[in-house]
Amino acid sequence: NAGVTQTPKFRILKIGQSMTLQCAQDMNHNYMYWYRQDPGMGLKLIYYSVGAGITDKGEVPNGYNVSRSTTEYFPLRLELAAPSQTSVYFCASRPGPNNSPLHFGNGTRLTVT
Amino acid sequence: GQQLNQSPQSMFIQEGEDVSMNCTSSSIFNTWLWYKQDPGEGPVLLIALYKAGELTSNGRLTAQFGITRKDSFLNISASIPSDVGIYFCAGPQGGSEKLVFGKGTKLTVNP
Repeated sequence: NAGVTQTPKFRILKIGQSMTLQCAQDMNHNYMYWYRQDPGMGLKLIYYSVGAGITDKGEVPNGYNVSRSTTEYFPLRLELAAPSQTSVYFCASRPGPNNSPLHFGNGTRLTVT
Repeated sequence: GQQLNQSPQSMFIQEGEDVSMNCTSSSIFNTWLWYKQDPGEGPVLLIALYKAGELTSNGRLTAQFGITRKDSFLNISASIPSDVGIYFCAGPQGGSEKLVFGKGTKLTVNP
């Protein structure tokens, strides 16, 4: 199993541009998450999904959109990139509730200038 | 929402020393998770705690789920250079599907 795969690893965007951060998992996990990590600020939850067709907001959803058409993929969309969205983005998945732990991808480092 | 407060924020220690860090919350958590993040990578689970009072070890790491359910600590014994990284505590917010994280403890080990 490849686990959780994120692409791209790095990206530089200009203000106002849009992009999609890709996330795929091959573990047949129902639950998937998007976090952003700012220096010294830990991980903040952007959006999450408990199954295909179901998404919900986390702590910091503004400026982002997600979709979950299949179990495997959970892309994160930035429509109008802003400097405040400069961060490292992590996708994670877990089988379901019942205290199952998260498996993380290796992150996408995004810079908006 | 629930917040997890980790301390200390950073630690600088000598190789061979023991390390202790903790995580507290104003709310009860039913699960405590400890993750480690190496530079340039995603966090990796170290230890999961599911029961108040539980003490669990993973090699040189030991973690405990506080009796009040509002705190947890992680100890690392006989530290080595590869212990360098950021250690996060995490738990389900309000018992839900959302997992919240502390701000992390950055550990530096001097050889």
